[in-house]
Amino acid sequence: IAGITQAPTSQILAAGRRMTLRCTQDMRHNAMYWYRQDLGLGLRLIHYSNTAGTTGKGEVPDGYSVSRANTDDFPLTLASAVPSQTSVYFCASSEGSGSYNEQFFGPGTRLTVL
Amino acid sequence: GQNIDQPTEMTATEGAIVQINCTYQTSGFNGLFWYQQHAGEAPTFLSYNVLDGLEEKGRFSSFLSRSKGYSYLLLKELQMKDSASYLCAVKDSNYQLIWGAGTKLIIKP
Repeated sequence: IAGITQAPTSQILAAGRRMTLRCTQDMRHNAMYWYRQDLGLGLRLIHYSNTAGTTGKGEVPDGYSVSRANTDDFPLTLASAVPSQTSVYFCASSEGSGSYNEQFFGPGTRLTVL
Repeated sequence: GQNIDQPTEMTATEGAIVQINCTYQTSGFNGLFWYQQHAGEAPTFLSYNVLDGLEEKGRFSSFLSRSKGYSYLLLKELQMKDSASYLCAVKDSNYQLIWGAGTKLIIKP
């Protein structure tokens, strides 16, 4: 593994189903993030984790949950998917959460909820 | 509210220079980032400014004026591979990145 990996690459999901998007990084970064990217809008932060064992809510957390049991993994769960959650989801990580900490992004998961 | 504004789309010619502007209004300021995103790919880091002035990195330069809430990304000697979206993002008082919608740059031969 090099950098950040996400799985699946893409998924079509029926509304009401539960779905977990996986994210793993091998850079030993403390901070991790989940964003969604929709056409015409900037990246919007869903949830974040500044260090293993802690999580926080971003701008658009409703309908999503996360956990951070260890440094490397940061899964995002949609408990009951709705069509408005159709989007491209990016996981990112950074060494820390301070001023200068560039974020490194995974390749993204394209999710379609029907 | 917090707001990042940048043009939706710009067109430039191969070999030329282009300037992409970004204005911001955020609760606090802890630095401004520029990212490049090719279609269908993840954003990748280009530059970081926290003090006023110009930061140069090869063909790319980024400028910041904190008093004006303004930044620009300058791309010189444009190449076809520079066709991408350029994202401006500001780290706010909570150290979270607030993102602009991105500027799609089209390079013509």
